Amino acid sequence: KNEVEQSPQNLTAQEGEFITINCSYSVGISALHWLQQHPGGGIVSLFMLSSGKKKHGRLIATINIQEKHSSLHITASHPRDSAVYICAVPPWGGADGLTFGKGTHLIIQP
Amino acid sequence: EPEVTQTPSHQVTQMGQEVILRCVPISNHLYFYWYRQILGQKVEFLVSFYNNEISEKSEIFDDQFSVERPDGSNFTLKIRSTKLEDSAMYFCASDRGKQPQHFGDGTRLSIL
Repeated sequence: KNEVEQSPQNLTAQEGEFITINCSYSVGISALHWLQQHPGGGIVSLFMLSSGKKKHGRLIATINIQEKHSSLHITASHPRDSAVYICAVPPWGGADGLTFGKGTHLIIQP
Repeated sequence: EPEVTQTPSHQVTQMGQEVILRCVPISNHLYFYWYRQILGQKVEFLVSFYNNEISEKSEIFDDQFSVERPDGSNFTLKIRSTKLEDSAMYFCASDRGKQPQHFGDGTRLSIL
């Protein structure tokens, strides 16, 4: 069973700061998911990546498969980025239930 | 953009009662999932469903739980005899296979 660890658990930053959230996992995977959980509880998929880097707007996700590590970066952070960011991995072979990390609770202060 | 929809948004039930949580996945998706999140804890996988049968289930998904896709559009999770510890947010998700999963907004289940 894959163990997914995220750091930090909580992060408070000022608007405009560059944010980094880290995720490590214990067993090799085919892809890794980054998700955002809003204060109301809804979950949105941000990225699914299996190698290298992906960028969407101010969000960048990177993964190092050999080191079993991924990072999520937010550039020019804004209070609306405040949410819980969750890393999740499927079992090897892919299309099945995700194992979730505990999440990083991010607060961006104006 | 198509969405996964879940009903009801909040369900309050007496302990021991049966409850059915409903989901309408995105229409061209093939894989369907139920997850739960106990308050303050991480999201946990319950069950996945493909080709009209369960493809994987977790230790949490015991005999009290069942899933069904009765009519080609709805995907339901039934809890036969609810316990206090079943109180949680339940999320339905779907995907086309090896693609990002799309999540519903969840059903908050409160067992009294």
